[in-house]
Amino acid sequence: KNQVEQSPQSLIILEGKNCTLQCNYTVSPFSNLRWYKQDTGRGPVSLTIMTFSENTKSNGRYTATLDADTKQSSLHITASQLSDSASYICVVSGRTGGFKTIFGAGTRLFVKA
Amino acid sequence: EAGVVQSPRYKIIEKKQPVAFWCNPISGHNTLYWYRQNLGQGPELLIRYENEEAVDDSQLPKDRFSAERLKGVDSTLKIQPAELGDSAVYLCASSPANNEQFFGPGTRLTVL
Repeated sequence: KNQVEQSPQSLIILEGKNCTLQCNYTVSPFSNLRWYKQDTGRGPVSLTIMTFSENTKSNGRYTATLDADTKQSSLHITASQLSDSASYICVVSGRTGGFKTIFGAGTRLFVKA
Repeated sequence: EAGVVQSPRYKIIEKKQPVAFWCNPISGHNTLYWYRQNLGQGPELLIRYENEEAVDDSQLPKDRFSAERLKGVDSTLKIQPAELGDSAVYLCASSPANNEQFFGPGTRLTVL
């Protein structure tokens, strides 16, 4: 069973609009959750990192939220730009059978002019 | 500060041929990771090194894949022989003491 599920799989929005990406996880016990942005042909780049005690973290127009009780996280992008077109990957670290880092499959975001 | 360096960026080979990828992590990062990423999927861990020791290679297909990290710095990942299903992007990442990972640009492998 995939321990990190992301939705939607892909998303198309118009430039200037907001969007929210979802991440549900079952990794337990939980250590931290990261959101990465991966441009086409590049490696993932970290956007935010949250530990158990943090429920929101911002990085410019990116705001991540975390509900450790329901094991859900979201990434909200405000006033989208064409350069936001990328894959957004949710990554959860925890101690399940040793320290593990589990990657979601990502949400592919397309921002159109 | 230089990021994680990988080479080559692209490689096209015929099946049954060998191939090798090279990674130079960020200076001072003790932990090094090799991932495989298929199209439309997240990265999947192949092997993790702490200095020169492979501490997690449970997902590495050992019949054809091998890796080494001599002197605990640079690392190479080898596939011999390559199969069609090995076509993917191979990402290298490094981190300071099992913390946030910094990724290289990846090597895109195409097996014909």
